[in-house]
Amino acid sequence: GAVVSQHPSRVICKSGTSVKIECRSLDFQATTMFWYRQFPKQSLMLMATSNEGSKATYEQGVEKDKFLINHASLTLSTLTVTSAHPEDSSFYICSARLASGGFTDTQYFGPGTRLTVL
Amino acid sequence: QKEVEQDPGPLSVPEGAIVSLNCTYSNSAFQYFMWYRQYSRKGPELLMYTYSSGNKEDGRFTAQVDKSSKYISLFIRDSQPSDSATYLCAMNGGAQKLVFGQGTRLTINP
Repeated sequence: GAVVSQHPSRVICKSGTSVKIECRSLDFQATTMFWYRQFPKQSLMLMATSNEGSKATYEQGVEKDKFLINHASLTLSTLTVTSAHPEDSSFYICSARLASGGFTDTQYFGPGTRLTVL
Repeated sequence: QKEVEQDPGPLSVPEGAIVSLNCTYSNSAFQYFMWYRQYSRKGPELLMYTYSSGNKEDGRFTAQVDKSSKYISLFIRDSQPSDSATYLCAMNGGAQKLVFGQGTRLTINP
């Protein structure tokens, strides 16, 4: 249980194009999903918190107009990198919060999407 | 000072050794502690989750939390080459956001 998928797993695009990444919770409903970026040999950097049916909450320094997040259903959140540039090349990982109803809710991560902008 | 400190390594040990991975934290509001394993070019996988001081064991893995010292550990017994990965500690205080350590790169040599 608690499987999270991401699509695509890898994308290469030209500078200036937009790229959409999907994050799905396959066997549970996720009221909250998180988007992270990870550079080589570094830890995960939280970009934004996505709540179903409401606007995403972005971390300081993350451009909301550049990284568009939509959480249209309890099993799907999308991240669109608009007008991508080479400096946006990174490993993007989503996670979904499994609401256990207990003390806290653990996050389950997707396999990640490697974005390369030429 | 970072909220969570974790030695990035790299750490290299022979197969069969006991591995000890550690994190310290400064925020006394943290109550929930997790260890994730991340293989290269993959998403993190939840290994252990605990919310109280003391030890929690799962197979070859033991998570230890000492809230008084703000120190958590992950022990791996009888380490295997397949345990080679980056191990990330993470924690939160009941809010939604997890705070991650930098991750420790571990290599188990056959």
